[in-house]
Parts: sequence; structure tokens; C-alpha cells
Amino acid sequence: DIQMTQSPSTLSASVGDRVTITCRASQSISSWLAWYQQKPGKAPKLLIYKASSLESGVPSRFSGSGSGTEFTLTISSLQPDDFATYYCQQYNSYPLTFGQGTKVEIK
Amino acid sequence: QITLKESGPTLVKPTQTLTLTCTFSGFSLSTSGVGVGWIRQPPGKALEWLALIYWNDDKRYSPSLKSRLTITKDTSKNQVVLTMTNMDPVDTATYYCAHRYGDYGVDIWGQGTMVTVSS
Repeated sequence: DIQMTQSPSTLSASVGDRVTITCRASQSISSWLAWYQQKPGKAPKLLIYKASSLESGVPSRFSGSGSGTEFTLTISSLQPDDFATYYCQQYNSYPLTFGQGTKVEIK
Repeated sequence: QITLKESGPTLVKPTQTLTLTCTFSGFSLSTSGVGVGWIRQPPGKALEWLALIYWNDDKRYSPSLKSRLTITKDTSKNQVVLTMTNMDPVDTATYYCAHRYGDYGVDIWGQGTMVTVSS
């Protein structure tokens, strides 16, 4: 199985901050990586697919980069609606695997 | 517009078999490249992928749960069914079904259904 490791686990930030979350794969997954946002009691929402492609309707302050084993999700200017938990997921091979999540909290 | 909705029991007893149904609209599971999968999330924990079925009946399972899982589809009813045998309290979780397509990966999720395993 490909292990996905996110860092940090928790991140405290203020509105307007630039935020970066890292996801590392235990082996190369090319660009087959997705990022999701999840709010309490809600289903995950796709933000980024294929490492850097912005899902339709997602604000442009979200961006993704990376390939191979190291990936980042960046929020250029954190907004109140962005406080949530973020997950990466690889879909290069089965089993599909998720990172453990990064909770973005209000500082 | 693609939507998915999970249904099934909210409470099952240990050792029982769980049967969950995903009813979807806005796409066909007979379209090339389309899949429907199941993912679960125990309370306060991370997401765990369980199984996925494709338009051509190709089925994929989590290796750690493969012996307990069966995924099937009914294209005419726009439904996918997941069965999980020998339920245990550690299987208590919110179970989600989701749409899978091409480069997008798992892109659209149902609202989820909470399943508690308790005697």
C-alpha cells in the first residue's frame, strides 16, 4: 500500500494568512493526487485533482503543486470559510489511500 | 447534476452483516470510465477507502477488508450495494459513497450515513 503522510497535523492561522499543507507519498504516484476539504458533519469536498488542477467552482486562492512523492496545497489568503480539515488522497494505484488530515484552526 | 445518497441501518449488532445502498443520479454506471466507491470515517478519525466498482464490473477492494466486503451494482436502478460481514464495534463510522471518473479521481460524494455497531 502507498502511505500518505500529511504535515502538519494541526495548523493555527489567521484570516489573510498564506497557508501551506504538505503531503508525502511513500512511493511515486506521478500526479495522481487529490485534495479535499471537510467541515464537521459534512462530506469531503474535492478541491484539487491531478495534483494541480482546480475543481470547478473552487476559489482560486486554493492551489496545488508537486509530483512524484511530494505535494503541497496552498491557500493564498485564508478566509473564514476555510477553517476545516484537509485530506490528500492518492489514486495512482489500489488501494486508494488518504493522508491522516490537517486541521486548520483559527489562531 | 450528479448526486449520491447512502441508505441502510443506523445500528447493527456485532457479528451481523451490514448492507448499504448507494442510490445515484446524474450519471450512468454503464458509461465507460465511471465508477462508484465506498469510503468510511470513524468518529474523529481519517478517511478510509473500502471498495470501488466500475462500469465494466471491475471491482477493487481494500486488502485489509477484502474478505469481508462485497460490492455490486444494479445499473437499471442506479444503485451500488456494499455488504460487510462480521461487523465489529471498530466498524462504527460514517460510510460515504462517491463517484469516480478519470483524471478527477473521487470527485462527488454522498452525504454519508452513520453506522453504529453495538449490542
